[in-house]
Amino acid sequence: DAGVTQSPTHLIKTRGQQVTLRCSPKSGHDTVSWYQQALGQGPQFIFQYYEEEERQRGNFPDRFSGHQFPNYSSELNVNALLLGDSALYLCASSEPGGSGANVLTFGAGSRLTVL
Amino acid sequence: RKEVEQDPGPFNVPEGATVAFNCTYSNSASQSFFWYRQDCRKEPKLLMSVYSSGNEDGRFTAQLNRASQYISLLIRDSKLSDSATYLCVPLGGASKIIFGSGTRLSIRP
Repeated sequence: DAGVTQSPTHLIKTRGQQVTLRCSPKSGHDTVSWYQQALGQGPQFIFQYYEEEERQRGNFPDRFSGHQFPNYSSELNVNALLLGDSALYLCASSEPGGSGANVLTFGAGSRLTVL
Repeated sequence: RKEVEQDPGPFNVPEGATVAFNCTYSNSASQSFFWYRQDCRKEPKLLMSVYSSGNEDGRFTAQLNRASQYISLLIRDSKLSDSATYLCVPLGGASKIIFGSGTRLSIRP
């Protein structure tokens, strides 16, 4: 049973470019959340997708956008990259309801470096 | 006040010692709490869930103090493999799951 898979694992971009990160949730999970984790910090909540809609959003600018597909996979897009966007981007999935809905299973992350 | 506050550490303790660290939260409506463990350059993984006053799982004990709005994690007989960052997550309803900044623990031989 595959867990959460993310791609790419590493990427390097330059300021002003755009990036798309991808996530496939764990089998049986329908909710996907995205987090940004800078070095030495805890994961910062970006947004959560459920039923192809953005359900909750953290304190991130509109440059950060996302999408969820009918198969529950998700993308995170970041436009006009800044140096400060360099971080590990984590995708987490969770179950459709009950107490399991609050337990997150994380992917290994996509490490973005902006030069 | 931050939603979740943790002592960043690092806590550096000898193998076999008992160590405890706290997590304070600002949302008094939080009902469920989670501790995640994150190894260096790896993803967080669930260590323990707390739905009532506390939880115990082997060497790990989580205790909740609702009056003072903090939750603690106690690790007994610490092992070298316990070295990691421990992230606190109080669940305050809705769908936004907020992590603390983590407490770094280093176990020395």
